[in-house]
Amino acid sequence: ETGVTQSPTHLIKTRGQQVTLRCSSQSGHNTVSWYQQALGQGPQFIFQYYREEENGRGNFPPRFSGLQFPNYSSELNVNALELDDSALYLCASSRGTSGSAEQFFGPGTRLTVL
Amino acid sequence: GDSVTQMEGPVTLSEEAFLTINCTYTATGYPSLFWYVQYPGEGLQLLLKATKADDKGSNKGFEATYRKETTSFHLEKGSVQVSDSAVYFCALSDLGGATNKLIFGTGTLLAVQP
Repeated sequence: ETGVTQSPTHLIKTRGQQVTLRCSSQSGHNTVSWYQQALGQGPQFIFQYYREEENGRGNFPPRFSGLQFPNYSSELNVNALELDDSALYLCASSRGTSGSAEQFFGPGTRLTVL
Repeated sequence: GDSVTQMEGPVTLSEEAFLTINCTYTATGYPSLFWYVQYPGEGLQLLLKATKADDKGSNKGFEATYRKETTSFHLEKGSVQVSDSAVYFCALSDLGGATNKLIFGTGTLLAVQP
């Protein structure tokens, strides 16, 4: 069984640019959640996709957007990058959206905005 | 809103010492509680969980008990090893919510010295 994978591993962008991060969910999982983890902080929920629809969103501006594809993989897009967007972006997949459904995390994408 | 508070680190222990990392939560619903571990340069791994009051989660010698009366979920291990050095995150997920988003504490760095 293949776990959650993310690409790229590292990324360097400049302020104002746009970035796309990718996530492949674990086999059998139909739900993907994205989190932002700033240095020295706990992960913060960005949004969740369930069966290709956004199922919930955290306190992030609209320039953070996403997609989920029919194979349940997902993209996170961030427009007009700001310096504070520098963080580790984590993707997690689960089988459903129940509060007891375990989330499995990928290794993350480290984004640096200069 | 729901929140998690955990003790600040770093926690520095000698090998074979007893470990406690405190975690308390605030939730309006009936949360599931989790401990995740993050090793350097890696994503999050689920360490243990508990889904209802008085449940005890355990894994790899770590354990935590869901205490509704004190809204706590403290992590303990009787004898730590150097390989336990990592950042530990306490988290909750609302069982009654539309998503299984996780709300994390800020993390506690554990450093175990030989």
